[in-house]
Amino acid sequence: SQTIHQWPATLVQPVGSPLSLECTVEGTSNPNLYWYRQAAGRGLQLLFYSVGIGQISSEVPQNLSASRPQDRQFILSSKKLLLSDSGFYLCAWSNSRTLQETQYFGPGTRLLVL
Amino acid sequence: SQQGEEDPQALSIQEGENATMNCSYKTSINNLQWYRQNSGRGLVHLILIRSNEREKHSGRLRVTLDTSKKSSSLLITASRAADTASYFCATVLYNNNDMRFGAGTRLTVKP
Repeated sequence: SQTIHQWPATLVQPVGSPLSLECTVEGTSNPNLYWYRQAAGRGLQLLFYSVGIGQISSEVPQNLSASRPQDRQFILSSKKLLLSDSGFYLCAWSNSRTLQETQYFGPGTRLLVL
Repeated sequence: SQQGEEDPQALSIQEGENATMNCSYKTSINNLQWYRQNSGRGLVHLILIRSNEREKHSGRLRVTLDTSKKSSSLLITASRAADTASYFCATVLYNNNDMRFGAGTRLTVKP
């Protein structure tokens, strides 16, 4: 069966520090991968999606970047965190060639920038 | 930007009662999905309903889709305390590799 991992679960970082969140998927090959951010009490905002190694699409201009160095690994990064980067970050995968099918979410990383 | 909007924002019921949540959207969709999120956790997929479908069932869950009104509803029958969670609808548009989530309905089921 497929599983998706995210780490760390919780992260507290000072403003201006770098960020690296990692997401890995097991039990499937060539998945679509996604990064979402969820503000408190709100819905999800799609940040990045990837349909293959090295292929990244960005949804909104922001202080963050994403990379996909391996088929089942998706990394969310920042060189200098802002206070507004605080939130709940969710990674997800799907096995379709488009974003139009079911997505399976990881447990999330809660980021607090102070 | 958000596409689907859930209504109500919050719902509190007694165990055993039915819970109905609604989702409205603005543009034509390929499919609509409902997800559940327990506090501080990831989302779990519940049901996907396509634009040519009107109703789907999964256990105690029933989802309807009215494309003429651009709305969907999620009904949870015989609710349990364990159903307490936030429920989100997500819409997928035609010709658009994108899934848009609403802000969610916070359901509380009291034992």
